[in-house]
Amino acid sequence: GAVVSQHPSRVICKSGTSVKIECRSLDFQATTMFWYRQFPKQSLMLMATSNEGSKATYEQGVEKDKFLINHASLTLSTLTVTSAHPEDSSFYICSAWWGYGYTFGSGTRLTVV
Amino acid sequence: GEDVEQSLFLSVREGDSSVINCTYTDSSSTYLYWYKQEPGAGLQLLTYIFSNMDMKQDQRLTVLLNKKDKHLSLRIADTQTGDSAIYFCAEISDSNYQLIWGAGTKLIIKP
Repeated sequence: GAVVSQHPSRVICKSGTSVKIECRSLDFQATTMFWYRQFPKQSLMLMATSNEGSKATYEQGVEKDKFLINHASLTLSTLTVTSAHPEDSSFYICSAWWGYGYTFGSGTRLTVV
Repeated sequence: GEDVEQSLFLSVREGDSSVINCTYTDSSSTYLYWYKQEPGAGLQLLTYIFSNMDMKQDQRLTVLLNKKDKHLSLRIADTQTGDSAIYFCAEISDSNYQLIWGAGTKLIIKP
């Protein structure tokens, strides 16, 4: 139980294009999901908190127009990296609270060329 | 502010026990966690402990919590090559329910 499915696991896109990452809770409802970014050999950095039916809350320094978050249902949150640039290349991970802790998606490796 | 610290590397021989240590600052945290991250993969919740517990054991994993010293440890018995990963310690901030992460400890297994 408490599984979060994240897609795609790996994506390569051209600079200037947009990429959408999906995060689904498979066997529970998640009113809140979290989006993290991880740089190589570094810990996770919280980007934003996604709330079902309302606007996401972004951490300081994270551009909300660049990282669009939509949480339209209790089981799906999406992160869209708009007009991606090479510096957006990173590992993105979503998570959701399942009752006793946070469960994480398997992550998306984004490479912008 | 709230902070979680752990050493960056630990090297052990296969078959030995691994002990990964973590210190935290938020004494009001209700839950403390250990997550495992294998190369190129997401995070896997290994185990968690409530703040009113001193110890929790789950097969090869033993978690010890010393609330007085704000110290959390993860012991992996009979360490195997499949245990090679980065282990993250995390606590929940009671002020905003966000996870506060340590930098991660890379466990290196020597044959």
